[in-house]
Amino acid sequence: EVQLVESGGGLVQPGGSLRLSCAASGFTFSGYWMHWVRQVPGKGLVWVSRINNDGSTTNYADSVQGRFTISRDNAKNTLYLQMNSLRAEDTAVYYCTRDDADWGYFDYWGQGTLVTVSS
Amino acid sequence: DVVMIQSPLSLPVTLGQPASISCKSSQSLVHSDGNIYLNWFHQRPGQSPRRLIYKVSNRGSGVPDRFGGSGSGTDFTLKISGVEAEDVGVYYCMQGTYWYTFGQGTKLEIK
Repeated sequence: EVQLVESGGGLVQPGGSLRLSCAASGFTFSGYWMHWVRQVPGKGLVWVSRINNDGSTTNYADSVQGRFTISRDNAKNTLYLQMNSLRAEDTAVYYCTRDDADWGYFDYWGQGTLVTVSS
Repeated sequence: DVVMIQSPLSLPVTLGQPASISCKSSQSLVHSDGNIYLNWFHQRPGQSPRRLIYKVSNRGSGVPDRFGGSGSGTDFTLKISGVEAEDVGVYYCMQGTYWYTFGQGTKLEIK
């Protein structure tokens, strides 16, 4: 059974940092691109970042470019999102999702982890 | 950026009746490889999104056949042939041809 389990969310002050993790199981993790998508509570879905199979290609939404870093450890079947210089507008539930290439297949999603940026 | 516009934003439906959601993109979603990367997702309250339809009209694994997708170019539609109670929630279209953008969401409720 495919499972994606996010962790690492919490309350952080503006300007602070947080690292999210997404533990994958039930499939060959290294065979998939992976993405982060976020959702402000009660609002819509917004794509954040993606990484290819071996981690050599990464891309970001303009709103997080230069502040967030996506990475993966295929030996540990884990996806990461390092979030620095956090702002109030980064407050959201962060989901990881998998992609069989780079076109948004998004067939499985994690349960999400809530990040709250507030003083 | 490609903008995805859904309508209606709110959709009250009687159980057993059909429902239809429109999704229009600001530019053609035909990729240079000839595919159209348009997906539909359903999100129940308090849950993660679930993919229903991929590449316009392909149902995902385990998705009931009462869900159907159609469209081309810039105009796409999700149809539910007979709404069931479990279909409540928010429906999103999403394009993956030019990066990734979602529609605003359509909230389906039972009348």
